[in-house]
Amino acid sequence: SAVISQKPSRDICQRGTSLTIQCQVDSQVTMMFWYRQQPGQSLTLIATANQGSEATYESGFVIDKFPISRPNLTFSTLTVSNMSPEDSSIYLCSVALLGTSTDTQYFGPGTRLTVL
Amino acid sequence: GNSVTQMEGPVTLSEEAFLTINCTYTATGYPSLFWYVQYPGEGLQLLLKATKADDKGSNKGFEATYRKETTSFHLEKGSVQVSDSAVYFCAPSTSGTYKYIFGTGTRLKVLA
Repeated sequence: SAVISQKPSRDICQRGTSLTIQCQVDSQVTMMFWYRQQPGQSLTLIATANQGSEATYESGFVIDKFPISRPNLTFSTLTVSNMSPEDSSIYLCSVALLGTSTDTQYFGPGTRLTVL
Repeated sequence: GNSVTQMEGPVTLSEEAFLTINCTYTATGYPSLFWYVQYPGEGLQLLLKATKADDKGSNKGFEATYRKETTSFHLEKGSVQVSDSAVYFCAPSTSGTYKYIFGTGTRLKVLA
């Protein structure tokens, strides 16, 4: 397994502002992902964070709203831009570990975002 | 595309009761199948997994068997504890892509 940390753990933000969430892993990983979990809902994949290149976004998510960086194998950031109350969610990063033979993902503790 | 149907909650049980949470899926290819658990205020933790037909995943007294013929991966535990109270997510992966399709989650509440 891996130890995954996210910062901040929670935040309360004003409408129209942006928040950058960090994800740090203590192991070498192959893939990193960002998910959104809206209140009382399941998880929805936002994008796959690719090292050194643009992230791959899922349908309904765009780079202008959710810019993602991944400068190395163990770190990624997700920015939630121009926030509105509808962006209030838990944002989770997950990783697939280098050398594993299955497609198992390990999740960070999440960032709980409230937009006023 | 792939999809997953998970038993709706909440499920309320008494301690030591038998638990079943149903999960069925549709998928192309041969997905790996996962159950994740989310305890109150925490992130998701991998509970168990199975990667091919007839495999049984198990952990912490929970079990689930990969049933290809019925495309199901039902979660069971013989005797639940109060500490098992959490939300459980069934998640088949898309073969070879690491992408999961998460079920809606089933909230379990175990009463002492």
